[in-house]
Amino acid sequence: AQSVTQLGSHVSVSEGALVLLRCNYSSSVPPYLFWYVQYPNQGLQLLLKYTSAATLVKGINGFEAEFKKSETSFHLTKPSAHMSDAAEYFCAVRSPPKTSYDKVIFGPGTSLSVIP
Amino acid sequence: EAQVTQNPRYLITVTGKKLTVTCSQNMNHEYMSWYRQDPGLGLRQIYYSMNVEVTDKGDVPEGYKVSRKEKRNFPLILESPSPNQTSLYFCASSLRIGGRASYNEQFFGPGTRLTVL
Repeated sequence: AQSVTQLGSHVSVSEGALVLLRCNYSSSVPPYLFWYVQYPNQGLQLLLKYTSAATLVKGINGFEAEFKKSETSFHLTKPSAHMSDAAEYFCAVRSPPKTSYDKVIFGPGTSLSVIP
Repeated sequence: EAQVTQNPRYLITVTGKKLTVTCSQNMNHEYMSWYRQDPGLGLRQIYYSMNVEVTDKGDVPEGYKVSRKEKRNFPLILESPSPNQTSLYFCASSLRIGGRASYNEQFFGPGTRLTVL
């Protein structure tokens, strides 16, 4: 069965510092991986996705993530945090191809605070 | 404007009183899904639908029903709500290409905050 873990339910960084949010997955075959962001009182919106093309994926707002099969990881990074990055971040996996189902599994989320 | 809409946005009800949360999308997406969001648990999939009249259980389907009679609508039904169904609910949709939705992003509605007393 697929699963997703996100290390650190809450991360605080200073404005201008590196942002690193961790995501590890468990799957018998490499799944499709996504990072979503949720701003307060809003729905989720896509930051970036990995779909077996390039392992380094660039997304919106300066975020990027690297798929590492050997580590079953898909960590999210941003070189310089901005106050507007404060939000909840979710890693998600979708069923890989050639499966009979099409489920989505989300991690528990990481709340990012940016300190001025 | 491409969007997923949910109604109502807020609902307070009592145990056992049947309710329906509507979800509609205007993007002609085949795949639609319902999630509940609880603190510390992230989003958990309740049900999903890969097309009209095709639905399947997610990870937490107990106590919920869905139907997909039209492509654009995917209502969530709680026949007999209980307090443990108090949660924030999201509907989402995505394209399916080549019979798969896996590599496509989901578009989320604004959420429905449900309280069951």
